[in-house]
Amino acid sequence: AQRVTQPEKLLSVFKGAPVELKCNYSYSGSPELFWYVQYSRQRLQLLLRHISRESIKGFTADLNKGETSFHLKKPFAQEEDSAMYYCALRGSQGNLIFGKGTKLSVKP
Amino acid sequence: NAGVMQNPRHLVRRRGQEARLRCSPMKGHSHVYWYRQLPEEGLKFMVYLQKENIIDESGMPKERFSAEFPKEGPSILRIQQVVRGDSAAYFCASSRGQGSIYGYTFGSGTRLTVV
Repeated sequence: AQRVTQPEKLLSVFKGAPVELKCNYSYSGSPELFWYVQYSRQRLQLLLRHISRESIKGFTADLNKGETSFHLKKPFAQEEDSAMYYCALRGSQGNLIFGKGTKLSVKP
Repeated sequence: NAGVMQNPRHLVRRRGQEARLRCSPMKGHSHVYWYRQLPEEGLKFMVYLQKENIIDESGMPKERFSAEFPKEGPSILRIQQVVRGDSAAYFCASSRGQGSIYGYTFGSGTRLTVV
């Protein structure tokens, strides 16, 4: 089965605290994973993809094939990071399979 | 580059009416994907289309829903005889190719309200 699991519906942290949004996947084969972000009532935007190993807005994510995880991390959260975050896996047909999302709330 | 354009942004329909949602992909993109976003459920894949072809419709309800992506013009998601449960945000995304390493570009969505 091809599946993405984001176990946390809501994650609330204070400004300056570290953030980790969890993502686990199920896929037979070599996975291709993404993180998307959706700010309040805006369109989804690609945040980062695992193949590029980049850091965007201070966020990083490392693919751990042993744990089938692709957790999103940021050492110091900012208030403007408050948004919905979706982890996604490219399915065998080419479409992206999304997790249910985690709402990140960064408090001042 | 205007990005992925969806219209209308908001659509209100009475129960039993038809809803037509349009999506114009980014220039140079020939792959279109439709997703439905419900509260508490995140994004649910509905259908994946290329020009004049449906590649994967495994997420489409068997009845009342259909999608097309003609040779000319936007992709259309059509919902016949809408019911209250169809109320949701419908997002369209496009990509350059099936194996695009760039992921998708999303539109702003159409919020359908069935009254």
